[in-house]
Amino acid sequence: EVQLVESGGGVVRPGGSLRLSCAASGFTFGNFGMSWVRQAPGKGLEWVAGVNYNGGTTTYADSMKGRFTISRDNAKNSLYLQMHSLRAEDTALYYCARGGWGITASDFWGQGTLVTVSS
Amino acid sequence: DIQMTQSPSTLSASVGDRVTITCRASQSISHWLAWYQQKPGKAPKLLISKASSLESGVPSRFSGSGSGTEFTLTISSLQPDDFATYYCHQYNAYSMYTFGQGTKLEIK
Repeated sequence: EVQLVESGGGVVRPGGSLRLSCAASGFTFGNFGMSWVRQAPGKGLEWVAGVNYNGGTTTYADSMKGRFTISRDNAKNSLYLQMHSLRAEDTALYYCARGGWGITASDFWGQGTLVTVSS
Repeated sequence: DIQMTQSPSTLSASVGDRVTITCRASQSISHWLAWYQQKPGKAPKLLISKASSLESGVPSRFSGSGSGTEFTLTISSLQPDDFATYYCHQYNAYSMYTFGQGTKLEIK
């Protein structure tokens, strides 16, 4: 069974940093591109970033470029999102998803980890 | 950036109704479009990929069509479990991926 479990969310002050993790199981992690998608409270889905199967190529939404870094460790079956210079508008539930890179839709999603940026 | 415009934003319908949701892309995305269903407090669920390919386990009352810039999601006969929010999502290769703003399907 495919499982994606996010962790690392919490409350952080504006300008702060946070690192999210996603532990994958139930599939050959190194064969799939991965992505992060977020959802602000009561709002729609927003694609954040994607990474190819080996971590060699990454893509970001414009509002995250230069502040967020997506990475992966295939030996640990893990996906990461390092976030810096956080703003109030980054407050959201952050989902890890399999796919969402290249020409693959995101077919499995975790349950999300909540990031709250507040002073 | 490719913008996705979804309509309507809210749709009221009854069990048994046939409903259609439309998604328009600001430029051609070929058939690289997916549809998701999201229920409150849950992660999105992939229904359709490549504009018209039904995912395994998704009921056949769901169908997708379109290519280029115009796409539709149709539910042929609404069931109680279908009341949810639906999102389109373009994944035109290696560019910035975007979602539509969502369509909330409500019980009339």
